[in-house]
Amino acid sequence: EDQVTQSPEALRLQEGESSSLNCSYTVSGLRGLFWYRQDPGKGPEFLFTLYSAGEEKEKERLKATLTKKESFLHITAPKPEDSATYLCAVLFYGGSQGNLIFGKGTKLSVKP
Amino acid sequence: GAVVSQHPSRVICKSGTSVKIECRSLDFQATTMFWYRQFPKQSLMLMATSNEGSKATYEQGVEKDKFLINHASLTLSTLTVTSAHPEDSSFYICSAREMRDLNEQFFGPGTRLTVL
Repeated sequence: EDQVTQSPEALRLQEGESSSLNCSYTVSGLRGLFWYRQDPGKGPEFLFTLYSAGEEKEKERLKATLTKKESFLHITAPKPEDSATYLCAVLFYGGSQGNLIFGKGTKLSVKP
Repeated sequence: GAVVSQHPSRVICKSGTSVKIECRSLDFQATTMFWYRQFPKQSLMLMATSNEGSKATYEQGVEKDKFLINHASLTLSTLTVTSAHPEDSSFYICSAREMRDLNEQFFGPGTRLTVL
């Protein structure tokens, strides 16, 4: 079964058009939820870690929030250079040696 | 921040040959390294977890004899794809975890393997 689900699968925005990406999870005993950015042909680049419901973190145009069932990545006034695939991953107690469970990602395209 | 490198970044090989991929933590000691593979438009799937000086733990469905993992030091892990076949063509990504923070993993840039 899917433990981490990201939506939408793809998102096209105009430059400056704010929006949000969703990551919902069904694991119990969350140790942490991670957001990564992945450019084509590259490894994931770390963005944020969230540990508890209500926590928020910001970095430039990105803001990540966490509830007990989902996380949002808010993008404010995006620029074309924000185009990438955004991956969400969860780490949970009971997982083998702390491995991350990844969602399939949201491919973001920002047009000038 | 912590940096993880992989070598090579791309490799093309003939069917039946073996390919070795290196993963190095450049500025920290990694007690644990992870190997993932990613197919086009798919999520990263964990293949195995390796701890320095001990045998790797493979995920269900991953053949140990085909994907040999060695984690000989705190800064180097290698993945050898033995007798590669076209279906092994994929994007292989490693990550490393520091002793200080067991929650966070740092990813390498990935290796694109193409088996002809």
